[in-house]
Amino acid sequence: KAGVTQTPRYLIKTRGQQVTLSCSPISGHRSVSWYQQTPGQGLQFLFEYFSETQRNKGNFPGRFSGRQFSNSRSEMNVSTLELGDSALYLCASSQAGINGYTFGSGTRLTVV
Amino acid sequence: QQQVKQSPQSLIVQKGGISIINCAYENTAFDYFPWYQQFPGKGPALLIAIRPDVSEKKEGRFTISFNKSAKQFSLHIMDSQPGDSATYFCAANPSTSGSRLTFGEGTQLTVNP
Repeated sequence: KAGVTQTPRYLIKTRGQQVTLSCSPISGHRSVSWYQQTPGQGLQFLFEYFSETQRNKGNFPGRFSGRQFSNSRSEMNVSTLELGDSALYLCASSQAGINGYTFGSGTRLTVV
Repeated sequence: QQQVKQSPQSLIVQKGGISIINCAYENTAFDYFPWYQQFPGKGPALLIAIRPDVSEKKEGRFTISFNKSAKQFSLHIMDSQPGDSATYFCAANPSTSGSRLTFGEGTQLTVNP
């Protein structure tokens, strides 16, 4: 059974640019969540999508957005990148978004 | 009220010893408490999880103890091995609201051979 796949694994972007990250959940999982991991702030919840609808949203500015497609794959977009957006972005999936979340290996974003 | 406090920040134990990591929460809406293990360059991996209707759950060498009245829970790793050296995160989720895990700050565990 394939795990959660995140692409790309590494990204380097310039301040002011925008970026799109992709997440393919485990087959059959309808809930996809996104988290930001930094040394200073730890793991912070960004948002959750369930059956193409955003069900929960964390305390991040509107520059952070996401969407989920009918096949449960999800994308996350960050516009007008800032240096502080440098982080490991993690995607997690679960069947119903209640428990048993499986994380991908993440996308390491560096903003220069 | 959304925070989960985790301690210690770092922990060094000898091979064969017991590793204990503690977490405390405030939000009584939390009803799912997982522990994750993370190795460098990898995403967190679910180790074990508990719901507040039980006080203890054991899976192999890993045990969660849960104290609902104190709003505290802990992870015990018995017979710790060098391969257990990793960062451990506790988390909590109000599962009736879907997925929005609140994580502790993490504990860097080192098991010396």
